[in-house]
Amino acid sequence: QEKVQQSPESLIVPEGAMSSLNCTFSNSASQSIWWYQQHPGKGPEALISIFSNGNKKEGRLTVYLNRASLHVSLHIRDSQPSDSAVYLCAVSPNNNNAPRFGAGTKLSVKP
Amino acid sequence: GGIITQTPKFLIGQEGQKLTLKCQQNFNHDTMYWYRQDSGKGLRLIYYSITENDLQKGDLSEGYDASREKKSSFSLTVTSAQKNEMAVFLCASSAGFSDYTFGSGTRLLVI
Repeated sequence: QEKVQQSPESLIVPEGAMSSLNCTFSNSASQSIWWYQQHPGKGPEALISIFSNGNKKEGRLTVYLNRASLHVSLHIRDSQPSDSAVYLCAVSPNNNNAPRFGAGTKLSVKP
Repeated sequence: GGIITQTPKFLIGQEGQKLTLKCQQNFNHDTMYWYRQDSGKGLRLIYYSITENDLQKGDLSEGYDASREKKSSFSLTVTSAQKNEMAVFLCASSAGFSDYTFGSGTRLLVI
């Protein structure tokens, strides 16, 4: 089964800084990678997805995928206190199977 | 827009008890999922269902049963609750294997 690892476990950044989160996975043929945001007491909400090698930008979010190194990263530009949440990386295997999730990175943005 | 409703929101059970969690979605999504989230850990896949009356085991299916009697609903049963067990059970749905939407979760405590 797909193995998904996230780092760091927690991250504290000042308001306005760049936040960088990492995710590694075990299968280079995995179909798609998703990043989710989860606030306390809520279910995860989809933020951004990537399917092809390279990068994808949406607003303050940029995601980079390198299948050769089995690595994907999420960068949040101009981080805001409202961005404070747990960020989950989810990877869908290539055989039309359900996504597997990492343990998450807890982001705290200090005013 | 649609919604995923999980009931109950909180569930307190006793050791050895059989407990049932319910999930309803009105997106008309084909695929539904049950994940377990323990504190500080990622989501672990328990069961998923590709269509009505279909069931697929996930990575954590032992100790659980699931049922998908109709397209809009997916139930999960804890067959024998373990003492001091505490976790959040999250239901999700998707069209195919992309663009997942999660419910807010059922919080389980076993005393």
